[in-house]
Amino acid sequence: AQKITQTQPGMFVQEKEAVTLDCTYDTSDQSYGLFWYKQPSSGEMIFLIYQGSYDEQNATEGRYSLNFQKARKSANLVISASQLGDSAMYFCAMREASSASKIIFGSGTRLSIRP
Amino acid sequence: DARVTQTPRHKVTEMGQEVTMRCQPILGHNTVFWYRQTMMQGLELLAYFRNRAPLDDSGMPKDRFSAEMPDATLATLKIQPSEPRDSAVYFCASGLVLEGAYYNSPLHFGNGTRLTVT
Repeated sequence: AQKITQTQPGMFVQEKEAVTLDCTYDTSDQSYGLFWYKQPSSGEMIFLIYQGSYDEQNATEGRYSLNFQKARKSANLVISASQLGDSAMYFCAMREASSASKIIFGSGTRLSIRP
Repeated sequence: DARVTQTPRHKVTEMGQEVTMRCQPILGHNTVFWYRQTMMQGLELLAYFRNRAPLDDSGMPKDRFSAEMPDATLATLKIQPSEPRDSAVYFCASGLVLEGAYYNSPLHFGNGTRLTVT
């Protein structure tokens, strides 16, 4: 069964608009962490933001914020004021406490920013 | 900035040849992961180590793939014999995982090895 689901294979957004990338996950653990990574066309994987299952506040890092809805098991990434450089693949990932150190990734969303 | 270093960056080889990919994790990190990325399968976890001990290699085709950590500064992924379906980008990533924590330490990725098997 899919543990991490990203339902949007591709998205187009106008520059300066906000964009939300969806991520839902499946776990029976109480302790887990959720991560978002960006992969630009150069191929590198860049860590963006982290949310812990016990964190009461949504994580924020600059223009990135995570809309964490624990009961719905969703951890959507919000990018405010999108820029052309935000065009990339975005991956949601999860680490469960019961799985030792393992981190698994979703299938990704390709975000394209229009000028 | 500390980085995960992978070599080679690109590798083209013929079917049946042995391929060895190397990774130098970030100093102080105690976990090392190998992922394979393809258009069809996305990012697949092949194997990972904690404190140099293999924890899980169930994602790896055992008959031809092997992963080792001969020391804390080197992880290797070997394919023998290689096949065209092994063509992919192979990423190594390292991180620091603490017992009892719910693991807020992100993985740091290398730039990958792009493998082409003809």
